[in-house]
Amino acid sequence: KAGVTQTPRYLIKTRGQQVTLSCSPISGHRSVSWYQQTPGQGLQFLFEYFSETQRNKGNFPGRFSGRQFSNSRSEMNVSTLELGDSALYLCASSFGDGGNQPQHFGDGTRLSIL
Amino acid sequence: GNSVTQMEGPVTLSEEAFLTINCTYTATGYPSLFWYVQYPGEGLQLLLKATKADDKGSNKGFEATYRKETTSFHLEKGSVQVSDSAVYFCALGSFTGGGNKLTFGTGTQLKVEL
Repeated sequence: KAGVTQTPRYLIKTRGQQVTLSCSPISGHRSVSWYQQTPGQGLQFLFEYFSETQRNKGNFPGRFSGRQFSNSRSEMNVSTLELGDSALYLCASSFGDGGNQPQHFGDGTRLSIL
Repeated sequence: GNSVTQMEGPVTLSEEAFLTINCTYTATGYPSLFWYVQYPGEGLQLLLKATKADDKGSNKGFEATYRKETTSFHLEKGSVQVSDSAVYFCALGSFTGGGNKLTFGTGTQLKVEL
């Protein structure tokens, strides 16, 4: 069974640009969550989608947005990039039926802002 | 809100030594608890989980027991190997606001030497 797939693995952007990251969940999983990982802040929750609807959102500015498609694939967009957006962005999927469902993570997209 | 506190690292052990990584949590309701492991350049892998009080999660020689009375979920392994060197994250899973969310500790780096 294929795991969570994130593309691309690495991205280099400059300040002010925008970026779109992609995530394909495990087959059958309807919940997709996004997390930001940085050395200073650790792992922080961005948002969660289930059946194309955002169900939960972390404390990030509106520059961070996402969406989910009918096949459960998800994209995350960051506009007007800032140096502080440099991070590993992790996507995780689960069946989504409750908080006791473990989330399964992809290998992440490493975003570097110059 | 929910929070997770982990012991600071790095933790350096000799091969075959006993491992304990402390984790305590603060939460409303009845969260699930997880341990994830991250190897360099990779995403997070689920190591074990426990969904209710007194549950013991176990996998690959690692164990953790959900202690509601002490709000703890300490990770233990009787005999570590060099291949166990990684960063370990304790996480609390909740279903709040109608959606899934994981709250992570800061991570504990484990180094196992021959």
